[in-house]
Amino acid sequence: NAGVTQTPKFQVLKTGQSMTLQCAQDMNHEYMSWYRQDPGMGLRLIHYSVGAGITDQGEVPNGYNVSRSTTEDFPLRLLSAAPSQTSVYFCASSRTYRGMNTEAFFGQGTRLTVV
Amino acid sequence: GIQVEQSPPDLILQEGANSTLRCNFSDSVNNLQWFHQNPWGQLINLFYIPSGTKQNGRLSATTVATERYSLLYISSSQTTDSGVYFCAGKNTGTASKLTFGTGTRLQVTL
Repeated sequence: NAGVTQTPKFQVLKTGQSMTLQCAQDMNHEYMSWYRQDPGMGLRLIHYSVGAGITDQGEVPNGYNVSRSTTEDFPLRLLSAAPSQTSVYFCASSRTYRGMNTEAFFGQGTRLTVV
Repeated sequence: GIQVEQSPPDLILQEGANSTLRCNFSDSVNNLQWFHQNPWGQLINLFYIPSGTKQNGRLSATTVATERYSLLYISSSQTTDSGVYFCAGKNTGTASKLTFGTGTRLQVTL
């Protein structure tokens, strides 16, 4: 049981490049989400998904796209990287119980630098 | 959305000391978690505690949902307890957004 797996762990991009951060979970959780963490701050929600085929924006969605074609996978796409997207990205998943999220589990994070 | 305030922002302890970290919420929450972010950046789940008290070894947590706060107790601290402690909560009005505080940075010295 691997939990939440993120790849890659580290990435350096040039401004304007695109890339996809991968996230997979093997716990059959309905909810998945992406957060970013900037120095001295807590985590801020980028996008989330309540199930396959359903996604929605969080508080800092600009510059990022997501899709959820399967329960297991929730990739995050940067279409044209900018230095402001330098951050540590975390993917999380949680089970639904009576329509509400329960405990969230996080991946190990992806440290992204945009130069 | 809810606001989450954590205190203190920084804490330095000698090994063996006890400490209490506090988390206040601006609105009622139905989902509350405590995490430890270790020096390698990993987020470790400590407690899922929407209400009541839980204990796990030297750590325990109490959430008083009606008064919108939660406490994390660390007893007999060790150097491996160093890192940043986050609390995060979600209220009844939002289905999926877990809101984080800005954390308490703990340093345990010998």
